[in-house]
Amino acid sequence: KAGVTQTPRYLIKTRGQQVTLSCSPISGHRSVSWYQQTPGQGLQFLFEYFSETQRNKGNFPGRFSGRQFSNSRSEMNVSTLELGDSALYLCASSPRDSPQETQYFGPGTRLLVL
Amino acid sequence: AQSVTQLGSHVSVSEGALVLLRCNYSSSVPPYLFWYVQYPNQGLQLLLKYTSAATLVKGINGFEAEFKKSETSFHLTKPSAHMSDAAEYFCAVSGDAGGTSYGKLTFGQGTILTVHP
Repeated sequence: KAGVTQTPRYLIKTRGQQVTLSCSPISGHRSVSWYQQTPGQGLQFLFEYFSETQRNKGNFPGRFSGRQFSNSRSEMNVSTLELGDSALYLCASSPRDSPQETQYFGPGTRLLVL
Repeated sequence: AQSVTQLGSHVSVSEGALVLLRCNYSSSVPPYLFWYVQYPNQGLQLLLKYTSAATLVKGINGFEAEFKKSETSFHLTKPSAHMSDAAEYFCAVSGDAGGTSYGKLTFGQGTILTVHP
């Protein structure tokens, strides 16, 4: 099976702009989770979608949002970008959103905000 | 709330030496525990996971970890380090109480493993 894919892999934006990142999960996986990785804060959970519904959300401002489509593909959007949003954004998929399920990660999208 | 502490942000070993990466967790419910590895410019790859079956868990690439409830630990070991093991390693926990666990892993800060020839 193909792994989790994320597009684009690299992105440069300026403050105030918005950005949309895309994630295609492993075929058959219905849960998609998003994480932000920075040197200072490490890996932090953004949100999780299962069958097009957001089931869980981390402690991030409302500028961070997401959605999931009927084919389980997911997008996350960050509006009004700030310098501190520069990070590696990782998505992960799993068959279900049970806590014992393995999450399979994509390669990430590296976002640089200037 | 759950939390994970990885002791030692950097660990350096010689090739062929024992690798020991430490992880302690805090959880109000029986946890599910994971070790992931991240190579430069890549995503995370699962090494192994504990889901309340055997307390000694064997993973890929010769790694294993032992769940010790009394010590709230899940340390990662490998008997003999290889140059290709150089990477960053993350311990993670899931399974929070109150229905807040959907799709959420809580990660430690990571340990960078350096392997010297």
